[in-house]
Amino acid sequence: AQRVTQPEKLLSVFKGAPVELKCNYSYSGSPELFWYVQYSRQRLQLLLRHISRESIKGFTADLNKGETSFHLKKPFAQEEDSAMYYCALSGERGGSQGNLIFGKGTKLSVKP
Amino acid sequence: GAGVSQSPSNKVTEKGKDVELRCDPISGHTALYWYRQRLGQGLEFLIYFQGNSAPDKSGLPSDRFSAERTGESVSTLTIQRTQQEDSAVYLCASSLVGGAGYEQYFGPGTRLTVT
Repeated sequence: AQRVTQPEKLLSVFKGAPVELKCNYSYSGSPELFWYVQYSRQRLQLLLRHISRESIKGFTADLNKGETSFHLKKPFAQEEDSAMYYCALSGERGGSQGNLIFGKGTKLSVKP
Repeated sequence: GAGVSQSPSNKVTEKGKDVELRCDPISGHTALYWYRQRLGQGLEFLIYFQGNSAPDKSGLPSDRFSAERTGESVSTLTIQRTQQEDSAVYLCASSLVGGAGYEQYFGPGTRLTVT
């Protein structure tokens, strides 16, 4: 079955501390992996995707195919990082399965 | 430019009534997706349009749910004989190209409450 698991509903850290939001997936094949973020009173937006290998707002995520994980990391959390984070997958790039399968989300709270 | 818009932003309806939810995608985006998010849950895929065709309706939870898209633009999600379990935020997203791996741009959602 295709599934995305985010084990933490809530993650609370202090400003300046490292943060890691966990994501594990189940998929037969090579999916595309994404992190979407929803700040307070804003719409859901793409944060980063594994194929781009980019760092956005200091966040990075490495795809570990052996562990089927795509954890999101940032070395020094900022208060403005407080938001709801969703890990998601779609089918293999170029394939027809474009719909996203989402995890339940992790609420990140960064305290001053 | 304008992003994805949805209307209404909030809808309260009585059990058994029909509702229509509207989505206006970003101009020129060929793919359009509907998702719903029930309280405490992740987003669930409902239906995907490529142009005006719906090659994937696999997420529609029952035959009370239907959707259409016209002019390769606006889409309407219709829920007939609403039930309390239909209460959720319904999100629409569009992408420039259909298929896997492309960024989806989300609307603000419609919060549906069935009383």
